[in-house]
Amino acid sequence: AQSVTQLDSQVPVFEEAPVELRCNYSSSVSVYLFWYVQYPNQGLQLLLKYLSGSTLVKGINGFEAEFNKSQTSFHLRKPSVHISDTAEYFCAVSDRPGTASKLTFGTGTRLQVTL
Amino acid sequence: KAGVTQTPRYLIKTRGQQVTLSCSPISGHRSVSWYQQTPGQGLQFLFEYFSETQRNKGNFPGRFSGRQFSNSRSEMNVSTLELGDSALYLCASSFDTGGHGYTFGSGTRLTVV
Repeated sequence: AQSVTQLDSQVPVFEEAPVELRCNYSSSVSVYLFWYVQYPNQGLQLLLKYLSGSTLVKGINGFEAEFNKSQTSFHLRKPSVHISDTAEYFCAVSDRPGTASKLTFGTGTRLQVTL
Repeated sequence: KAGVTQTPRYLIKTRGQQVTLSCSPISGHRSVSWYQQTPGQGLQFLFEYFSETQRNKGNFPGRFSGRQFSNSRSEMNVSTLELGDSALYLCASSFDTGGHGYTFGSGTRLTVV
């Protein structure tokens, strides 16, 4: 079974500062990895995904993530955050490579950006 | 291009009642999955449907069921509602060629009183 650990439940950061949201996963097989963002009273929006190939993945809104197989990590980064990035961020892993079925989510990290 | 549409957005039900939630996927998407989101348990997978067949099921009691129609629209049903069923129910659709990632709807907020 897959599992995902998001080490930080909350990350406060000042606007224009860099941020890293940490994600570790456990799996006995190859996985697909995803980051989603959730704004208040909304569903989940896909930020980026790692399927194969380059370990550095670029997503929307200036976010990027790096897949590290040896450390089983998929940390999300942004060099300069904006107030509008305040939201809940979820790391997820697919337990069926090839079908991307059944996402297993981490518990989420609340990113709070302040002036 | 229309996104994933979930109806209704909000719902209040009484314990013991049953409820049906609806999800219309993105046009052309054949896979529909359902997730439950609660503050205590986070995001949990309920089930996935593809071409009217349930392909995968999460660890939920039999009170939770679903189905998918020939036009890929999906419904989930919860019978004999319990207070703990109060949650945001999210539907996600995918073209299902593997790894494209799911597009989520805005969810249905169910409150059981």
